[in-house]
Amino acid sequence: DAGVTQSPTHLIKTRGQQVTLRCSPKSGHDTVSWYQQALGQGPQFIFQYYEEEERQRGNFPDRFSGHQFPNYSSELNVNALLLGDSALYLCASQNWGGNQPQHFGDGTRLSIL
Amino acid sequence: GNSVTQMEGPVTLSEEAFLTINCTYTATGYPSLFWYVQYPGEGLQLLLKATKADDKGSNKGFEATYRKETTSFHLEKGSVQVSDSAVYFCALYNTDKLIFGTGTRLQVFP
Repeated sequence: DAGVTQSPTHLIKTRGQQVTLRCSPKSGHDTVSWYQQALGQGPQFIFQYYEEEERQRGNFPDRFSGHQFPNYSSELNVNALLLGDSALYLCASQNWGGNQPQHFGDGTRLSIL
Repeated sequence: GNSVTQMEGPVTLSEEAFLTINCTYTATGYPSLFWYVQYPGEGLQLLLKATKADDKGSNKGFEATYRKETTSFHLEKGSVQVSDSAVYFCALYNTDKLIFGTGTRLQVFP
């Protein structure tokens, strides 16, 4: 039973570029959430997708956008990268509704030069 | 609003010592509470959870009790091992998203 998988593991970009991160949820899960974890900090909620729609959004600018596909996998896109976007990006999956625990992937480490 | 406050680390202990990591929260409504653990270079693993007041979550010797009167969810373990060295995050789940504390690094020495 595969858990949450994210790709790539590491990524290096320069300021102003665009990046796409990918996530496959745990088998049986239909909801995907994305979090940004800066060094030494707790994860911060970016947004959540269910039924291919953005259901909730945290306090992140429009440069951060996402998508969910019919197979429940998801992408996180970040445009016009800033140095401050350097972080570990975590994907979490769960079943929609109730207080189901979220299961996390190992993350994508994004470094901006 | 919703927020979580954890004690600052690092917490440094000898093997077999007693562990307490304090966590308090502010929330609207009745959130679920979680502890997650993050080992170096890895994502977050769910350690334990509690969904209502006075619930006790437990796993791998760790436990935490949901205290509504003190808005706390302190993590405890009676005898830590070197393998418990990691960063521990307290989190609340409300309106379909997790709100995390800043994490507490635990270092256990033999």
